[in-house]
Amino acid sequence: DIQLTQSPSFLSASVGDRVTITCRASQGISSYLAWYQQKPGKAPKLLIYAASTLQSGVPSRFSGSGSGTEFTLTISSLQPEDFATYYCQQLNSYPPFGQGTKLEIK
Amino acid sequence: EVQLVESGGGLVQPGGSLRLSCAASGFTFSSYEMNWVRQAPGKGLEWVSYISSSGSTIYYADSVKGRFTISRDNAKNSLYLQMNSLRAEDTAVYYCARVVATIRAFDIWGQGTMVTVSS
Repeated sequence: DIQLTQSPSFLSASVGDRVTITCRASQGISSYLAWYQQKPGKAPKLLIYAASTLQSGVPSRFSGSGSGTEFTLTISSLQPEDFATYYCQQLNSYPPFGQGTKLEIK
Repeated sequence: EVQLVESGGGLVQPGGSLRLSCAASGFTFSSYEMNWVRQAPGKGLEWVSYISSSGSTIYYADSVKGRFTISRDNAKNSLYLQMNSLRAEDTAVYYCARVVATIRAFDIWGQGTMVTVSS
């Protein structure tokens, strides 16, 4: 199994801040990493796939980078609607998800 | 509109059974791999099961292996999860999710159906 470890697990930030979430894989997964945003009571939403490709309709303040075993999700200027939980995911093998990063308002 | 709609959740006693359904619309269901993912109250996402587009390949999480059975009916555009020997720790919102194989990501999710296992 490939394990994904996200850091931090909790992040407190303010509107307008630049934040970065890291996802580390226990073994190389090339660039097959996706990021999801989930708000309370809602299904997860695909933000980024193939490590850095924005899903259609996702604001450009979101960006992703990385390959191999280390990946990052960056939000360049936090907006009120960005406070949510973020998950990374790989599909080289199952199970696919990291443990999540909860982004809270400071 | 591309859509997945789950149904079949509810309250069940420990040891009981439940069958979840996921109705797909707006796309060629038979062309896509599908998964069930669950989320216990206040917890993260937990993958449950995978089925290939034809149904010939199936995977399960260790936590449900031997108790849950995934299946699909491509003629009815439907995905199923038969859950037997349910435990309190199976209490969760259950989502069905479509996989886009070329990008190895879950691009469409249903709204979820709540399963509560309690006496």
